[in-house]
Amino acid sequence: GENVEQHPSTLSVQEGDSAVIKCTYSDSASNYFPWYKQELGKRPQLIIDIRSNVGEKKDQRIAVTLNKTAKHFSLHITETQPEDSAVYFCAALNSGYSTLTFGKGTMLLVSP
Amino acid sequence: DTGVSQDPRHKITKRGQNVTFRCDPISEHNRLYWYRQTLGQGPEFLTYFQNEAQLEKSRLLSDRFSAERPKGSFSTLEIQRTEQGDSAMYLCASSGGHQHSPLHFGNGTRLTVT
Repeated sequence: GENVEQHPSTLSVQEGDSAVIKCTYSDSASNYFPWYKQELGKRPQLIIDIRSNVGEKKDQRIAVTLNKTAKHFSLHITETQPEDSAVYFCAALNSGYSTLTFGKGTMLLVSP
Repeated sequence: DTGVSQDPRHKITKRGQNVTFRCDPISEHNRLYWYRQTLGQGPEFLTYFQNEAQLEKSRLLSDRFSAERPKGSFSTLEIQRTEQGDSAMYLCASSGGHQHSPLHFGNGTRLTVT
């Protein structure tokens, strides 16, 4: 089955800095890669996703890049704000299945 | 509120007891998922329904776990003979339309087995 590795496990940045979270996946058949944000005590919420026919997608301060050859994808957050502090999960969907495999998460802390 | 709702929010039970959780998905969503999340980990897939049919089940899922979605709407997850290792947050999610439709998660049921 699919295996998703996520790094780093924790990331501390100063407000205004950029943050980058990286994930790798094992199954070359995976074709959909969403990112979820989970604030403390709350449900995971989708923040951005990318399909395998696209190399990059951007939504305001958030962008995701995908390298299918290397089987890795990354989340980029620019001009970080304290409210960006949360745990971020990457995930991958194998086209032969209907279920997402999640990474272990990255705790992002943005200090004012 | 038209989001995914789960009941109860918290459940404390003694080892060996049976527990049942309920999930009400977004009404127009035909896909329903159960995930389990422990501290410091990402959600771990348990099982998946499309309408009333249970189409996928994790190989890691013990036979003490069973899920149903009898009318293709709400779903229940039952854990029999609970063990301390079952303590976790149980998340339900739903999605509609195609395979890449976003998952909408509920707030989860936190299970503590003493």
